[in-house]
Amino acid sequence: DSGVTQTPKHLITATGQRVTLRCSPRSGDLSVYWYQQSLDQGLQFLIHYYNGEERAKGNILERFSAQQFPDLHSELNLSSLELGDSALYFCASKVTGGDTDTQYFGPGTRLTVL
Amino acid sequence: AQTVTQSQPEMSVQEAETVTLSCTYDTSESNYYLFWYKQPPSRQMILVIRQEAYKQQNATENRFSVNFQKAAKSFSLKISDSQLGDTAMYFCAFMKHVINDMRFGAGTRLTVKP
Repeated sequence: DSGVTQTPKHLITATGQRVTLRCSPRSGDLSVYWYQQSLDQGLQFLIHYYNGEERAKGNILERFSAQQFPDLHSELNLSSLELGDSALYFCASKVTGGDTDTQYFGPGTRLTVL
Repeated sequence: AQTVTQSQPEMSVQEAETVTLSCTYDTSESNYYLFWYKQPPSRQMILVIRQEAYKQQNATENRFSVNFQKAAKSFSLKISDSQLGDTAMYFCAFMKHVINDMRFGAGTRLTVKP
């Protein structure tokens, strides 16, 4: 158990809909990262938040957005869903300091768009 | 941009034997981190081992060790005394020191045979 929690575990929805994925980082971790794992694109970095502020963006579609709240949990919002958005979405939180700059992953949310 | 290449899509090894998974990367950075993550059928991403680029000594974690060749930009993973529980997808990942989005290789599917 990495200490990173994600809800829900599974999500099934229809094209055109909007969903919200939630992530709670490990206690004390200020950074949250979101990744998408799909069959055709592999594991891709989406976005990074540090202590409530967006720090870096990767291959994140304009239909997707994220935020990190004062209690440090983060939400990834996916709208106008398409079949191709079906994927496993991971969040990770980072231990920072010394030589232990490492990301620990949550169990993921499996999104199926029908 | 950083790229990570895993040239072996699939590998197999007999239980108790040793296997080496290959990874190469491309970067102009001098300070970075390299990781191997394991993804078993549960799809959880589990950290196997990490290496800081400024350290010349190869990292070791129990049965797992790496061969880090900075000049050649190579980072292979050796698994000794392979166990059935090592069966999983293995991902090599690169992370810059400052901007910490991770770049992943396509993965190597390892099967340990009894």
